[in-house]
Amino acid sequence: GQNIDQPTEMTATEGAIVQINCTYQTSGFNGLFWYQQHAGEAPTFLSYNVLDGLEEKGRFSSFLSRSKGYSYLLLKELQMKDSASYLCATLDSNYQLIWGAGTKLIIKP
Amino acid sequence: TAGITQAPTSQILAAGRSMTLRCTQDMRHNAMYWYRQDLGLGLRLIHYSNTAGTTGKGEVPDGYSVSRANTDDFPLTLASAVPSQTSVYFCASSLNSNQPQHFGDGTRLSIL
Repeated sequence: GQNIDQPTEMTATEGAIVQINCTYQTSGFNGLFWYQQHAGEAPTFLSYNVLDGLEEKGRFSSFLSRSKGYSYLLLKELQMKDSASYLCATLDSNYQLIWGAGTKLIIKP
Repeated sequence: TAGITQAPTSQILAAGRSMTLRCTQDMRHNAMYWYRQDLGLGLRLIHYSNTAGTTGKGEVPDGYSVSRANTDDFPLTLASAVPSQTSVYFCASSLNSNQPQHFGDGTRLSIL
């Protein structure tokens, strides 16, 4: 079957660093996406990894290990506006996105 | 401003009634999608279309139908609404099926 696991909720402090993990088991793999979703809003695209390694984009970085079925999203210099849910999704062999339930990140001052 | 537009923003509907959720994009994206999002669950794909004139079933297609007569529009129809279809519905589009998806603002639908 297809399965994506990520923690339900995490708490971090403003200015700190947080790592949100995602493990997956899907039929075929054509890449992994991270999205951000603020409460009551639509998801917005953050990053895409298809090869192993780290992709850096400003304060956000995303890592992928295909052999381990594992990814993480790293957020640096946390700001209050980073409080949101972070969704991990993999593109399966049919090029359809399989979504995790999301990790709610709470930032405290 | 280019983007993807959904209508209505929210709706309360009596069980047994029909309803069409509208979705329009002006980015000339080939692929379009309909998802539902329920508390504690990930986004679940209802139907998709990889190009105008074609559609496919996602993970939870029962009770829903779609059409893709042109590139821009991808309406979702509930023929006879049931309370379990109460959800937030998101339409999304992408240039092709392996590209990032862009989402509309969602339609909050309550079936009573």
